Amino acid sequence: QSALTQPASVSGSPGQSITISCTGTSSDVGGYNYVSWYQQNPGKAPKVMIYEVINRPSGVPDRFSGSKSGNTASLTISGLQAEDEADYYCSTWTSSGTRVFGGGTKLTVL
Amino acid sequence: EVHLVQSGGGLVTPGGSLRLSCEGSGFTFSNFGIAWVRQAPGKGLEWVSSINNRGDSTYFGDSVKGRFTLFRDTAKSSLYLQMNSLRPEDTAMYYCARGDKWALDIWGQGTLVTVSS
Repeated sequence: QSALTQPASVSGSPGQSITISCTGTSSDVGGYNYVSWYQQNPGKAPKVMIYEVINRPSGVPDRFSGSKSGNTASLTISGLQAEDEADYYCSTWTSSGTRVFGGGTKLTVL
Repeated sequence: EVHLVQSGGGLVTPGGSLRLSCEGSGFTFSNFGIAWVRQAPGKGLEWVSSINNRGDSTYFGDSVKGRFTLFRDTAKSSLYLQMNSLRPEDTAMYYCARGDKWALDIWGQGTLVTVSS
């Protein structure tokens, strides 16, 4: 159960776009359309931002979008805002019925 | 409104046991899978365990397999994580979350488990 690979940190200025990658294998990210993304603010529980690769739950701004190519999924935030500064985690269900998370990416809004 | 409320947790000595509870409200508990996710201090999220919506399949991460068990009381809309043979590396904030393959959409508030002598 190896963790998915994410960059440790990304940064961007307000109004810019950033992309966070999430790399797995054909047994997890590449094999199923079950990638989800979570935003976590300090001291808070995670919040789902994207599910099933591309879908946004109700209430999540359309500035957040997801995609996948092969074994790599991506979260893109366009029109970056100060409130987007947080930790972001990707996750997916695996062929063995388990779940795996990425190591997390700290987003800094400059 | 949909909620998951957690209880349990606390300080336990190595080798000890602890039971965490996760109670759902505002939705039909038996229709959903539930997962436990933990976060060690200053670290990332780690999936611990899941039970499917039918309650007939449970899954555990390699780091807790054989030590942790899950059981569900649908009459009380509750899921329990029984943690035995606890180790210092089990120290973490533990979250329960509603969901299955597709995502974890509702999270509990978290409960802190500290394993220390």
